[in-house]
Order: sequence, then C-alpha cells, then structure tokens
Amino acid sequence: GAVVSQHPSRVICKSGTSVKIECRSLDFQATTMFWYRQFPKQSLMLMATSNEGSKATYEQGVEKDKFLINHASLTLSTLTVTSAHPEDSSFYICSAPQGVRINEQYFGPGTRLTVT
Amino acid sequence: DAKTTQPPSMDCAEGRAANLPCNHSTISGNEYVYWYRQIHSQGPQYIIHGLKNNETNEMASLIITEDRKSSTLILPHATLRDTAVYYCIAKEGRRALTFGSGTRLQVQP
Repeated sequence: GAVVSQHPSRVICKSGTSVKIECRSLDFQATTMFWYRQFPKQSLMLMATSNEGSKATYEQGVEKDKFLINHASLTLSTLTVTSAHPEDSSFYICSAPQGVRINEQYFGPGTRLTVT
Repeated sequence: DAKTTQPPSMDCAEGRAANLPCNHSTISGNEYVYWYRQIHSQGPQYIIHGLKNNETNEMASLIITEDRKSSTLILPHATLRDTAVYYCIAKEGRRALTFGSGTRLQVQP
C-alpha cells in the first residue's frame, strides 16, 4: 500500500527555537497533503491543507505565521513550528490522498514534539 | 461532512468478531463512510470505505444500512493487535478527514 513517512519521529527543543517536520509520500505523488495535531487523550485536529505550488490553507484558529507550511514538491511537505512554546508540544501527523485512489488517505507515523 | 456518532468504548474477546456501530443519520448522497483506526502513538490507518453497498477487504467488512443512516464495521476475528481507537467518518471526495472521538476497542485475551 501507499506509504507516507515523517521525519523526525521525535524531537525535543527549547522554547523560542524553530522545528521543521518533513512529510514525504514515498511511492506516489501528492499535490495535496494535510497536517493534523493531536494533544494527549484527544482526537486529531486538522491544522492546514498543504498544496503543491500554492499557499497552504489554514483552519480557523491556526496561526499561519507560527506554523509555516511549504509544499516544495509532489512528494514533500514541511511544517515548521516557529518560536516554539511548551503549549505547542503535541503529536503532529500528516496525511495524503493516494493518487487515483482518492478516497483513501494515508497517514504518516507522526512526530512527537516536546518543547521545554 | 455529516456528523457521526460512535460509542466511546467497547470490549471484545480475542478470536471473536468485533462489531463497531456508527450513526450518520445526516449523511448526504455524495458522502462516503470511512473507517480508520489509530493504535496508540501511531498515525491513523485506513481500514475500509463504502458508499451504498457492503464492502469487504482483508481487514474488515463494512455493512451500511439501506437508508445509509448507520453502518457497522466488523472485524471478523479480533486479535490483541486490533486494540485501537476506531473512527467512523462521513466525507465527500478529497477533503481532509474530520475526526470525532471514535470508539476505543479493547480486545481482551
């Protein structure tokens, strides 16, 4: 089946620093990718839609200047958490619809961000 | 996307069938029913989807009522590795998935 990877799987950073998370579709091209975050004991919440070749669209309440998204190619989207704070600590997950099988979305394994 | 309602938790004995219900009474004609699951600290995993007809794949079966207002995901022979949170989602096309609270399935040895 289709595979989506994320890197890093875990990251610990200090308050005020920036962290970049990569999401790659390994065996298919993805013009669209989605970024979610999940706080402990909660469900996934959509943050933004990443579009190859154009600006990302953000959900209400998500700061676009804090969560920078770049969809550099048909297989790579990056999420940069800028000036991270402890409240940004969360599980960040990306997903992509797989080509012609548009009804199936494939998720990355997630990135656990801890801001100290 | 149509709202879905699922029981918060269920238990199932290992080796038995797990039947997970989902209510989606306001589903529109173009919305598919999707099932995903999330094992602890992992990304969600696609299980199955359907529009009107019942569907079966190597993981599960999906039974959709004739009026499409509810569905049931069936794991025919549950194993301990099936312990996870199961999400039922009604969605149209390539839009992002909207996750509810899901059903926490605990498979008991």
